Amino acid sequence: QVQLQESGPGLVKTSETLSLTCTVSGASISSYYWSWFRQPAGKGLEWVGRIYSSGSTNYNPSLKSRVTMSLDTSKNQLSLTLSSVTAADTALYYCARDLSGSSSYFSSSDDWGQGLLVTVSS
Amino acid sequence: AIRMTQSPSSLSASTGDRVTITCRASQGISSYLAWYQQKPGRAPKLLIYAVSTLQSGVPSRFSGSGSGTDFTLTISCLQSEDFATYYCQQYYSSPPTFGQGTKVEIK
Repeated sequence: QVQLQESGPGLVKTSETLSLTCTVSGASISSYYWSWFRQPAGKGLEWVGRIYSSGSTNYNPSLKSRVTMSLDTSKNQLSLTLSSVTAADTALYYCARDLSGSSSYFSSSDDWGQGLLVTVSS
Repeated sequence: AIRMTQSPSSLSASTGDRVTITCRASQGISSYLAWYQQKPGRAPKLLIYAVSTLQSGVPSRFSGSGSGTDFTLTISCLQSEDFATYYCQQYYSSPPTFGQGTKVEIK
């Protein structure tokens, strides 16, 4: 069974860069699309972007200028960085595996990490 | 971005009730629609994708229907473990977007 675990600092200062890692076990990150989502407390879900094992990425236009995703196949890990953060970026951040496998079409996500709360504060 | 609107935002129901949640897309999304269940403090769980395909392990009391812009999630006989918040998601076009959620509470 695939397991995903987000890690990183739980507190980031305003205007700095948020950096998260998602460690995948039980499956290779190769040949899959992997998405990041976020959810402010008490609010709905927002798709941040996705990355394919080749390194190809798609980002939410609302965040595109500040988001970078990468992966390390040797460690079976994904990474998310979000620059110039503000309080509006305070949220639970999730990584997830897309159901579509290697298809470039967008899809739902079937395996999710437990989420990591990131608070942005000065 | 495609806007997804769910109704109702919340509902109260009893165990054994039939519950229906609707989701409307701001433009046609063909069959690129999924439903998720989220319990407090937990990650979303995929219930249904492609409008009506049950994800492996999801009980058959959950069903989905619809096409184009209007979709429905039905829980045929509500169980205690079904009290949660439900989200629809379109993945027809980028960025994938979610409805605002429907909270199913105990009556």
